[in-house]
Amino acid sequence: NAGVMQNPRHLVRRRGQEARLRCSPMKGHSHVYWYRQLPEEGLKFMVYLQKENIIDESGMPKERFSAEFPKEGPSILRIQQVVRGDSAAYFCASSPLMTGANTDTQYFGPGTRLTVL
Amino acid sequence: DAKTTQPTSMDCAEGRAANLPCNHSTISGNEYVYWYRQIHSQGPQYIIHGLKNNETNEMASLIITEDRKSSTLILPHATLRDTAVYYCIVRPLMDSSYKLIFGSGTRLLVRP
Repeated sequence: NAGVMQNPRHLVRRRGQEARLRCSPMKGHSHVYWYRQLPEEGLKFMVYLQKENIIDESGMPKERFSAEFPKEGPSILRIQQVVRGDSAAYFCASSPLMTGANTDTQYFGPGTRLTVL
Repeated sequence: DAKTTQPTSMDCAEGRAANLPCNHSTISGNEYVYWYRQIHSQGPQYIIHGLKNNETNEMASLIITEDRKSSTLILPHATLRDTAVYYCIVRPLMDSSYKLIFGSGTRLLVRP
């Protein structure tokens, strides 16, 4: 059973360009989460999506950042007009469908390291 | 903010047990204790979780005190590959409580 996949693993962009980060959840998982890890800092929650729905984007910067999880295909985290401060590791996690009051473990992908020149 | 307190760093000898403590004195009755680790530059790896009973799996054991205010993650025979940052996270048992709030974790160094 393949784990969470992210691509690209490394992405270099110049200031002002767009960055698109992709995440394919584990098979059978319909919940996707994005986290960001700035250099020498801890992971911070950005956004939580289910298929075709954004459930919580409270951790995402209000401007330039957007996320989607379409019915078909991977989840996409899009950063427009990147700035140097966007340089970070972006991790995606997935979990199975939550039922009732059960917690579900999140499994992480290997991350995408974005470098903005 | 993270609801847990962990030592900044620890070390242990290869082959020995590594015991990583975590304080969560404000934990509620409906909150689980989760442990993840992050090996340098990799994605966080799930290790184990528990509510009030001790838990064991192929990676580690989790010992939770009776009052649930603290817990210990035990790696029974640490190897060099266990060198990582270990995160202790409390997470409510609620559909809406999906966020994992990572603190600073404990940097474990396994010495040869």
